[in-house]
Amino acid sequence: DAGVIQSPRHEVTEMGQEVTLRCKPISGHNSLFWYRQTMMRGLELLIYFNNNVPIDDSGMPEDRFSAKMPNASFSTLKIQPSEPRDSAVYFCASTRAASYEQYFGPGTRLTVT
Amino acid sequence: GQQLNQSPQSMFIQEGEDVSMNCTSSSIFNTWLWYKQDPGEGPVLLIALYKAGELTSNGRLTAQFGITRKDSFLNISASIPSDVGIYFCAGPIQGAQKLVFGQGTRLTINP
Repeated sequence: DAGVIQSPRHEVTEMGQEVTLRCKPISGHNSLFWYRQTMMRGLELLIYFNNNVPIDDSGMPEDRFSAKMPNASFSTLKIQPSEPRDSAVYFCASTRAASYEQYFGPGTRLTVT
Repeated sequence: GQQLNQSPQSMFIQEGEDVSMNCTSSSIFNTWLWYKQDPGEGPVLLIALYKAGELTSNGRLTAQFGITRKDSFLNISASIPSDVGIYFCAGPIQGAQKLVFGQGTRLTINP
C-alpha cells in the first residue's frame, strides 16, 4: 500500500508569496494531521481533521495559515502571505478512526527567503 | 498541559552496543508510541504500547510501558549503523486523538 504522499518535497519561495502544500492520506484512514517541525520548537501540531472536518486548529500560528480537506483523499495547507519565519519542514500524517497510530508522509521542506 | 521528557537528548555509541532511552511525564498516558526519524524523512512508527507493564519487541527493538503509566522505555540491542536517527516518544492528549511528542533522542553510532 502507498503511504502518505506529500508534494512538493521542497519549496523555495520569496517572502509575500502564497505557498500551497498538498497531502494524500493513506486510503481508508479517517483522520489527517498537519505538523510543522523546526529545530527550535520540534514537532508542532497545526490542525487535524476527522472525516474531512477540522476538529482542532489551535496550533495554526495565525490567519496567514489555512487548511482544507475537500475529500477523504486530499488536503492542502496554505500560507498566504509567506514569511521567512515560516521556513520549516511540514508533515502530514494520517490514521484510522479511533486510532492513535499516526503514519507520517516524507514532509515538505519550505524555505522562505 | 501534558508534556513528555526524553533522555538522554543525544547518545554517541559504538556499533554493536546496546542502547537504552526513556520518556517520562508528570501525567498518566494510556498509550505510548515510539517513532524513528531518519534525516530528510518523516517519523516512522516503531512500536505502540497499550497496557501498563506491557513489553513489546520489533526485531532488535524492545519497548516497555511503565507500571506507573508515566514513563516508557526503548531499548535497541546490538546497534548497527542504520539505527542512527532521532527517536521520539509520543502519547495521546487526554480526550483527543492528537499526540504530544517528546523532544527526541538523537542516536549517533561510531563504526
